[in-house]
Amino acid sequence: DAGVIQSPRHEVTEMGQEVTLRCKPISGHNSLFWYRQTMMRGLELLIYFNNNVPIDDSGMPEDRFSAKMPNASFSTLKIQPSEPRDSAVYFCASIIGTDNGGNQPQHFGDGTRLSIL
Amino acid sequence: AQSVTQPDIHITVSEGASLELRCNYSYGATPYLFWYVQSPGQGLQLLLKYFSGDTLVQGIKGFEAEFKRSQSSFNLRKPSVHWSDAAEYFCAVAPYSSASKIIFGSGTRLSIRP
Repeated sequence: DAGVIQSPRHEVTEMGQEVTLRCKPISGHNSLFWYRQTMMRGLELLIYFNNNVPIDDSGMPEDRFSAKMPNASFSTLKIQPSEPRDSAVYFCASIIGTDNGGNQPQHFGDGTRLSIL
Repeated sequence: AQSVTQPDIHITVSEGASLELRCNYSYGATPYLFWYVQSPGQGLQLLLKYFSGDTLVQGIKGFEAEFKRSQSSFNLRKPSVHWSDAAEYFCAVAPYSSASKIIFGSGTRLSIRP
């Protein structure tokens, strides 16, 4: 079975540009998570969705960040305008079922390495 | 507040030697416990998990971990490491109620000496 698929794998762009990261969760998984990983702050949960509905976006750093999940097989994380401090690796993860139990391990994509110049 | 501590930032062991990575957690009740591994350029992959029952759990790639309630620890072990085990290892805890509340430790980077 295909795992969580993220694109692009690498993105380099100039500050001020719009950046869109994409994620396809595992088929049948109902919850999707977006994380940011940096050396300084480790793994941070940005937002998660249950059944395509955003449940908790308290981790989204500021209004420049937005996320959508128009259907069960696709989600985007958008940064507009981007800034150098947004440089990080962004991961998408999914779990089977909804977020109703901590016993469900998360399945991670390989991440998008984002560099804002 | 809930927290996960991995006290070792970087560990180097010789190939074939045994390995133990430490993890301590602070939680109001026994949480669900996980170990993930992250190879360079890849996402996190689940090694093993503890929910209940036998406190010694077996995982993939020959890893095991032991839950010790009295010490609030969940240390990861492997009897003999291989060069391919070089990676970053993350301990994580989650409450019974919500997978989204999972907390990851800061990670331990494992290097293998030939």
